[in-house]
Amino acid sequence: EIVMTQSPATLSVSPGERATLSCRASQSVSSKLAWYQQKPGQTPRLLIYGASTRATGVPARFSGSGSGTEFTLTISSLQSEDFAVYYCQQYNNWPLTFGQGTKVEIK
Amino acid sequence: VQLLESGGGLVQPGGSLRLSCTASGFTFSTFAMSWVRQAPGEGLEWVSSIGAAGYPTFYADSVKGRFTMSRDSSKNSIYLQMNGLRAEDAAKYYCARVYAHLTDCFDFWGQGTLVTVSS
Repeated sequence: EIVMTQSPATLSVSPGERATLSCRASQSVSSKLAWYQQKPGQTPRLLIYGASTRATGVPARFSGSGSGTEFTLTISSLQSEDFAVYYCQQYNNWPLTFGQGTKVEIK
Repeated sequence: VQLLESGGGLVQPGGSLRLSCTASGFTFSTFAMSWVRQAPGEGLEWVSSIGAAGYPTFYADSVKGRFTMSRDSSKNSIYLQMNGLRAEDAAKYYCARVYAHLTDCFDFWGQGTLVTVSS
């Protein structure tokens, strides 16, 4: 099983600042990496797939990068609606696995 | 795209439950589908996936041999038969559409149905 490790567990950021979230895979997943956003009480929302492709309707301030085992989600200028938990997921191998999540909170 | 789960509830340890998810707004028969669960206050855990044609099926080790996923394209629905339920199976279960290939990310999610396992 590929273990996905996200860091940090919690990120405190002021509105308008840049946020950088990391996701590491225990073995290569090529570019088969997705990022999801989940707000309290809501369903997860696909943000990024293929490590760097924004899903439909996702604002340009969200960007993904990386390949192999190291991935990054960057939110260039945090808006109030971006405070949430973010999960990465690999889909290169069965079983499909998620990271434990990074909570982005207001500083 | 809409995905509507049902069938959750309270069940005793060792009991059974059958979850359903009815899809609308897309050509159901051309998409693989999955179940993903989330225990209260915890992260996301993939449970199972099924191909567009009803096969193959894949399961997480934690549910293999106890859960069975199926689909009925005539009803635009997928199902999760859960037997031998354990306390650690308690979670909100989400139905999710697989983006393109069977091994892929999830582009649409339902609102989830809550499963509670307790005596």
